[in-house]
Amino acid sequence: DARVTQTPRHKVTEMGQEVTMRCQPILGHNTVFWYRQTMMQGLELLAYFRNRAPLDDSGMPKDRFSAEMPDATLATLKIQPSEPRDSAVYFCASGLAGAFAGYTFGSGTRLTVV
Amino acid sequence: AQTVTQSQPEMSVQEAETVTLSCTYDTSESDYYLFWYKQPPSRQMILVIRQEAYKQQNATENRFSVNFQKAAKSFSLKISDSQLGDAAMYFCAYLTPQGAQKLVFGQGTRLTINP
Repeated sequence: DARVTQTPRHKVTEMGQEVTMRCQPILGHNTVFWYRQTMMQGLELLAYFRNRAPLDDSGMPKDRFSAEMPDATLATLKIQPSEPRDSAVYFCASGLAGAFAGYTFGSGTRLTVV
Repeated sequence: AQTVTQSQPEMSVQEAETVTLSCTYDTSESDYYLFWYKQPPSRQMILVIRQEAYKQQNATENRFSVNFQKAAKSFSLKISDSQLGDAAMYFCAYLTPQGAQKLVFGQGTRLTINP
């Protein structure tokens, strides 16, 4: 089965450090989402891309978060500087716009900022 | 903005029994899609079932079925013959075909299966 690949699976870092999370969407999917999951807030949409163009990143703290899609096979989410409140599981999901079949999620990156 | 509400933070059921998870949503649109996702302890988000709002027939996938009540904006998930592997967090999600086509999730229901 085709899958969305996220790396790393786990990341522990110190406050103030830069964190980069990577996502390889399913080949042929033209829509990529980044979600953050916490106990308090549940699943929040951070940003999304269509055909590699960023369409909405209103869910991201702009001063420290950035999302890019340098090519069709790679999406990145960067946090600089990281803070303890950024500790969460970050999911990437991909899909085909207009198919409405639901999106395929990666296994997530569990980020712990100490 | 669309919202999705799952009023049951936790549910439990005996193995082989049937359980129903509730979900309501708020929208002013007539065309949309609804989903149930399962998140086991591995944390992988797995699509369980999908319903198109324009279809009156309730979706079914093996032991999983939904009760879609469009007028009431209700979308419940029924799991028949519950199995230990069904233990997970279950998320209800809404998607509009316009614009962003993003998934809006409920807060989730944690389902425990008792042997």
